[in-house]
Amino acid sequence: QKEVEQDPGPLSVPEGAIVSLNCTYSNSAFQYFMWYRQYSRKGPELLMYTYSSGNKEDGRFTAQVDKSSKYISLFIRDSQPSDSATYLCAMTSNTGGFKTIFGAGTRLFVKA
Amino acid sequence: DTAVSQTPKYLVTQMGNDKSIKCEQNLGHDTMYWYKQDSKKFLKIMFSYNNKELIINETVPNRFSPKSPDKAHLNLHINSLELGDSAVYFCASSQLTGDYGYTFGSGTRLTVV
Repeated sequence: QKEVEQDPGPLSVPEGAIVSLNCTYSNSAFQYFMWYRQYSRKGPELLMYTYSSGNKEDGRFTAQVDKSSKYISLFIRDSQPSDSATYLCAMTSNTGGFKTIFGAGTRLFVKA
Repeated sequence: DTAVSQTPKYLVTQMGNDKSIKCEQNLGHDTMYWYKQDSKKFLKIMFSYNNKELIINETVPNRFSPKSPDKAHLNLHINSLELGDSAVYFCASSQLTGDYGYTFGSGTRLTVV
């Protein structure tokens, strides 16, 4: 079993839809949770960062962490064609050298 | 512009050759990384340096040798290139341990023929 599981998609939605992206993980030591957006032929770009459990909102993006279920989510409201990209979850523990583990990424297409 | 910059952007080379990829960050970060992204977009850490000191060295063939002349630079040298080395290599940097996230470079697309 991989430490971080993420459905690779692709996920196709109409413009304006609410998008839900998810990851599950197995290592209960993970405490720092991140979402990155990667456009084609570009490097990943940090979107959201959350420490431990809870919600965090930034504009149209909301990150949720449920440590009891080992489940994290990213919600995108009023999705736009410019949101079309691959979204990678990532998580870090404060043990084992603070190594960050990435999910495989979910490819999202938002249709105009 | 504050950024992580890596060169070259594209690299096509023959099996058996030796090549280097350079990375520089002007963000004042303490820690730099090399990640490999395969064709399925899976990002896997290769090395991590903190203030020129190696702190993470994953199970990477010893044909790959990172070098950090100072905390703003982390270069990657690859000897005896193999077909399986074809991938996109990303340099990244972060404050301290990276738990607040990384800043990535734009990647070097390596193709070994």
